[in-house]
Amino acid sequence: DGGITQSPKYLFRKEGQNVTLSCEQNLNHDAMYWYRQDPGQGLRLIYYSQIVNDFQKGDIAEGYSVSREKKESFPLTVTSAQKNPTAFYLCASSDRGRGSTDTQYFGPGTRLTVL
Amino acid sequence: AQSVTQLDSQVPVFEEAPVELRCNYSSSVSVYLFWYVQYPNQGLQLLLKYLSGSTLVKGINGFEAEFNKSQTSFHLRKPSVHISDTAEYFCAVSGGGYQKVTFGTGTKLQVIP
Repeated sequence: DGGITQSPKYLFRKEGQNVTLSCEQNLNHDAMYWYRQDPGQGLRLIYYSQIVNDFQKGDIAEGYSVSREKKESFPLTVTSAQKNPTAFYLCASSDRGRGSTDTQYFGPGTRLTVL
Repeated sequence: AQSVTQLDSQVPVFEEAPVELRCNYSSSVSVYLFWYVQYPNQGLQLLLKYLSGSTLVKGINGFEAEFNKSQTSFHLRKPSVHISDTAEYFCAVSGGGYQKVTFGTGTKLQVIP
């Protein structure tokens, strides 16, 4: 079955540590996204990538980093510079491009808690 | 620029009653509109989408939405809700192609037995 997987589902981190969240898709989508979700704030875009080896900052990129070395994978690193990293992180992908409808498909999410 | 406003943060409704979740958008270009559902501690699942054509769109789980261009609205409706519909619902808008997708802040639907 095609879909998006995220791991781990729950992640605990001590202050000052970097952590990496995994996102893999087998939908053959060109575009991938990372969102952060906090109660009452909806989804906020962290980073997105429209093609391999290219990515752009979203609305709240500070304290985060990404890479896109393979079409299927788009890992997100939450660095120690992120002041309030406790949140629910969602990865998505879409078949973006000229003429696409940009329907986004989401993974199950990773809940990060900083202790 | 585009934006989405979900007018209600929470909507309580009794089981088997009808429900409408409101969504208004603004955009300077033609739009694609989406409704997603999120169950606790899960990702977002696509309920339905409007791309073009008929303004009444039917989705999964008995939900439907109507695109109203003059009122810039895309309200989600269900004639009879079930306990299992308790979830958070997100409206989203996109200009398609390389345009950014913008999500609303969500509406929590609480179905009361």
